[in-house]
Amino acid sequence: NAGVTQTPKFQVLKTGQSMTLQCAQDMNHEYMSWYRQDPGMGLRLIHYSVGAGITDQGEVPNGYNVSRSTTEDFPLRLLSAAPSQTSVYFCASSYRGGGEPQHFGDGTRLSIL
Amino acid sequence: AQSVAQPEDQVNVAEGNPLTVKCTYSVSGNPYLFWYVQYPNRGLQFLLKYITGDNLVKGSYGFEAEFNKSQTSFHLKKPSALVSDSALYFCAVRVMDTGRRALTFGSGTRLQVQP
Repeated sequence: NAGVTQTPKFQVLKTGQSMTLQCAQDMNHEYMSWYRQDPGMGLRLIHYSVGAGITDQGEVPNGYNVSRSTTEDFPLRLLSAAPSQTSVYFCASSYRGGGEPQHFGDGTRLSIL
Repeated sequence: AQSVAQPEDQVNVAEGNPLTVKCTYSVSGNPYLFWYVQYPNRGLQFLLKYITGDNLVKGSYGFEAEFNKSQTSFHLKKPSALVSDSALYFCAVRVMDTGRRALTFGSGTRLQVQP
């Protein structure tokens, strides 16, 4: 049982490059989300999805795109990387119920030079 | 809007002593409250949650938390700390009865347990 899998674990980009952070879950969870973690700021929501074909913006969506073509996968795209996007990115998933805890991947550590 | 405050950046405690990590929240409506723990280079792991019912919630690894509605607090506690409890702890809140399932996190508290 893999849970939530994120790839890659580490990535270094140059300003202006684009890339996709992958997230896959094998628990048949309907709800998936992307957070970024910055020192002293906790986790902030970027985008989320309540099911295949449905996505919405979170607290800090600018510079990021998402899509949800299947229940299992929820990739995060950086369109034109900027140094301010240097962060640790976490993907999470949960069942539909509002009281269900979210399950987190181990993160992608992204540096933008 | 919903928010979470963790007033202490770091808590230091000796092994075997009780520990408390503080959390207060602000929501419009009834909250779902969660505690997560993060070890180095890992994702967040769920510890415990408050949904409704008994104000004292028991979770993983001997942790518990007390929901106090009048003080809007949800402090994490453990009767006897272990060195292996040293980690980063996050409190999170979500409002009940909304379609938005996203969590709002506090800034985190680093717990350091000394041998």
